[in-house]
Amino acid sequence: SQQGEEDPQALSIQEGENATMNCSYKTSINNLQWYRQNSGRGLVHLILIRSNEREKHSGRLRVTLDTSKKSSSLLITASRAADTASYFCATEQTGANNLFFGTGTRLTVIP
Amino acid sequence: DADVTQTPRNRITKTGKRIMLECSQTKGHDRMYWYRQDPGLGLRLIYYSFDVKDINKGEISDGYSVSRQAQAKFSLSLESAIPNQTALYFCATSASQGADEQFFGPGTRLTVL
Repeated sequence: SQQGEEDPQALSIQEGENATMNCSYKTSINNLQWYRQNSGRGLVHLILIRSNEREKHSGRLRVTLDTSKKSSSLLITASRAADTASYFCATEQTGANNLFFGTGTRLTVIP
Repeated sequence: DADVTQTPRNRITKTGKRIMLECSQTKGHDRMYWYRQDPGLGLRLIYYSFDVKDINKGEISDGYSVSRQAQAKFSLSLESAIPNQTALYFCATSASQGADEQFFGPGTRLTVL
């Protein structure tokens, strides 16, 4: 399978804490994207980081990319109950025409 | 109104039946995709289309077919449904290749008995 792997599979934290989830992939990429999915609903794009970038910020989100280790992390700071969702990384692999999604991290933020 | 719509939202059918899932978009995007989602497996690509005359197989196309009727419409068919096609199906669109986010529909929950 060309899917990425997310770690951990599930994460439970208290409101106000930071949440970190990781994504590893197997081949060279053009970019890596993070998506959020509320239960049973469509995915929503959060942030994109290109292969020549190492870090990117968007509001309370911080994404890092280490192409030498073929890994990325998503940090959500000052988490809120509304952040409860599943988070997926997706890679646009070099030479491919579409995205390959990881298996997701289920985040629960306890009020 | 939603930019990407899917019909039906829920469907229960029997083994052997032909099923069509429809997707429409108002974003004006050329590229459209069909994915299925199974618990613990993330999303897997079934078919994708980069314009009306372009159809490509994805990772798991066996047992499925598609039709791109117009820029805005992309349908997925299960010619003879089987129980292991029970899943959540998503349509998505994007503007172009490379560094473009995908926009997802709300999903169709399909159950094959």
